[in-house]
Amino acid sequence: EADIYQTPRYLVIGTGKKITLECSQTMGHDKMYWYQQDPGMELHLIHYSYGVNSTEKGDLSSESTVSRIRTEHFPLTLESARPSHTSQYLCASSARGGASLLGAFFGQGTRLTVV
Amino acid sequence: QKEVEQNSGPLSVPEGAIASLNCTYSDRGSQSFFWYRQYSGKSPELIMFIYSNGDKEDGRFTAQLNKASQYVSLLIRDSQPSDSATYLCAVINSGGGADGLTFGKGTHLIIQP
Repeated sequence: EADIYQTPRYLVIGTGKKITLECSQTMGHDKMYWYQQDPGMELHLIHYSYGVNSTEKGDLSSESTVSRIRTEHFPLTLESARPSHTSQYLCASSARGGASLLGAFFGQGTRLTVV
Repeated sequence: QKEVEQNSGPLSVPEGAIASLNCTYSDRGSQSFFWYRQYSGKSPELIMFIYSNGDKEDGRFTAQLNKASQYVSLLIRDSQPSDSATYLCAVINSGGGADGLTFGKGTHLIIQP
């Protein structure tokens, strides 16, 4: 069973507010990812990290930012939420090296609605 | 560009039959292959991984890998209505790194009671 947690599970917030989506994992994984997924649509990688102090942008351009100060924690921040940011945000993690062959594990997701 | 292709479906299979899901990938150097199951509104759940040519069985699930033809498939025997979900194929590419994991768009599977 994967030990990766996202909070909050659901968030409804007004336009212009700053929000931070939390993601934590207890598996000691070096690699962490943020994906964005609209209902019935494909996963889009928006951010990833190789380890502490490493952050990279993914395939899909996003106005969000991330940080990786601790191995277990990979929060995503939107400075000014807009209705176009309404989506499901999924955090995942995986090991490095040979153990990466075991795949990535996902948190339960945060469903964000900006009104 | 490294790609993972899946038929989006929906693939409709009667209960009790074998569901066959297919995936092709473009990077010949790909190392490891995964199948995820995603129920509507939920996050993807890893159900199988395979990295050697041939078959790998786990309960009602069998993953098949053919690196020469660059395809990987998932067979679900004795399909149940609870198997109705979107199945995502994912590949670790030869480039490695955190961006080395590439997902297909998924196949929507419907098991008809």
